[in-house]
Amino acid sequence: QSALTQPASVSGSPGQSITISCTGTSSDVGGYNYVSWYQQHPGKAPKLMIYDVSNRPSGVSNRFSGSKSGNTASLTISGLQAEDEADYYCSSYTSSSTPVFGGGTKLTVL
Amino acid sequence: QVQLVQSGAEVKKPGASVKVSCKASGYTFTSYGISWVRQAPGQGLEWMGWISAYNGNTNYAQKLQGRVTMTTDTSTSTAYMELRSLRSDDTAVYYCARAELPHYGMDVWGQGTTVTVSS
Repeated sequence: QSALTQPASVSGSPGQSITISCTGTSSDVGGYNYVSWYQQHPGKAPKLMIYDVSNRPSGVSNRFSGSKSGNTASLTISGLQAEDEADYYCSSYTSSSTPVFGGGTKLTVL
Repeated sequence: QVQLVQSGAEVKKPGASVKVSCKASGYTFTSYGISWVRQAPGQGLEWMGWISAYNGNTNYAQKLQGRVTMTTDTSTSTAYMELRSLRSDDTAVYYCARAELPHYGMDVWGQGTTVTVSS
């Protein structure tokens, strides 16, 4: 199963909104509502930010939101803050009955 | 609090095996499964597999089939991941994470275990 496609990097200024895309196929992103997003700071374990396309776990800021259209899922971060600078990974269930991760996106807060 | 605590760093020679442990606390162990994810230096995340702590059912990544075994010990609320025939490209940080099912979000993560494969 090929990795999902994410932009290598995105950037934004404090207070702005950014969107990270995650493109797959009808055999993964497009076929199931099981897309998750993870935030990872350097040297730390990943943290679940969004599950089932658009649901936020308890404790995750409502500045983070998820959506999906066709074979592309998106993570939007509004009101960008310095602490949001991190790597972000999407993950989707696949027709092989296993999940697959995206290649990751480095978010830089300018 | 809910947490997963992993065993310490390992250094292994090519061809050897490694077994990483992941001890759960703060929740009913058998109500969830455990996924294993690894991350090679400077690289992205790679899903390795999932095990049900309820009945031991497993689901492994195809590329690791035959080399990986995941088990649980419900008496100690501990999950294990054994990887055999180690190669240099198995050098990575290995994470365990709680997941109700293989395709559900992984909501609690261990701190990671560094496995270095080097002659």
